[in-house]
Amino acid sequence: EDKVVQSPLSLVVHEGDTVTLNCSYEVTNFRSLLWYKQEKKAPTFLFMLTSSGIEKKSGRLSSILDKKELFSILNITATQTGDSAVYLCAVRISYGKLTFGQGTILTVHP
Amino acid sequence: SAVISQKPSRDICQRGTSLTIQCQVDSQVTMMFWYRQQPGQSLTLIATANQGSEATYESGFVIDKFPISRPNLTFSTLTVSNMSPEDSSIYLCSVEGVTSGGAYEQYFGPGTRLTVT
Repeated sequence: EDKVVQSPLSLVVHEGDTVTLNCSYEVTNFRSLLWYKQEKKAPTFLFMLTSSGIEKKSGRLSSILDKKELFSILNITATQTGDSAVYLCAVRISYGKLTFGQGTILTVHP
Repeated sequence: SAVISQKPSRDICQRGTSLTIQCQVDSQVTMMFWYRQQPGQSLTLIATANQGSEATYESGFVIDKFPISRPNLTFSTLTVSNMSPEDSSIYLCSVEGVTSGGAYEQYFGPGTRLTVT
């Protein structure tokens, strides 16, 4: 059975802290790994990773994939209260089919 | 990226009734997908809405409970039939798009928050 596991499940930090969110996976047919931010209802796309070792960066957020060890990390530097959200990791195993992790609830206090 | 809209954004329904959720995309897409997110849970794929043929359902989901229509390449509906409180969830429409670089990215609509009483 395909499995995506995120850790930690929740995290509380203060503004300015740096956080690292983890995502490990065991799937039968890996195509890509995606990170989303979910604040209310709709997940907002952050990154898609297909190749090992190539960091993707967008502002204070960055992510990298290790296909040998089957995991990815999402880093957020200099956190702000607006970063408070659920961060979802998903693995694309076939066309349009994503298997999601449980999510990490990030709370950033002022 | 595709712009996806859903209607209604939220609804409160009585058990035993049915609700149809609409999903509209601003461009033609080959496939559309319906996901469910139960309270405190992550997203689970319900089915793939195929244009011109029957939807493809994931394990644990059946057509009688979640009938899906896909009349054209920009529109789909999901009906939640004979609802029970366990159907209270956020229902999300999703499409896959291809970037200029040839990479596949997947986008979600704003979601429909359904509460069954």
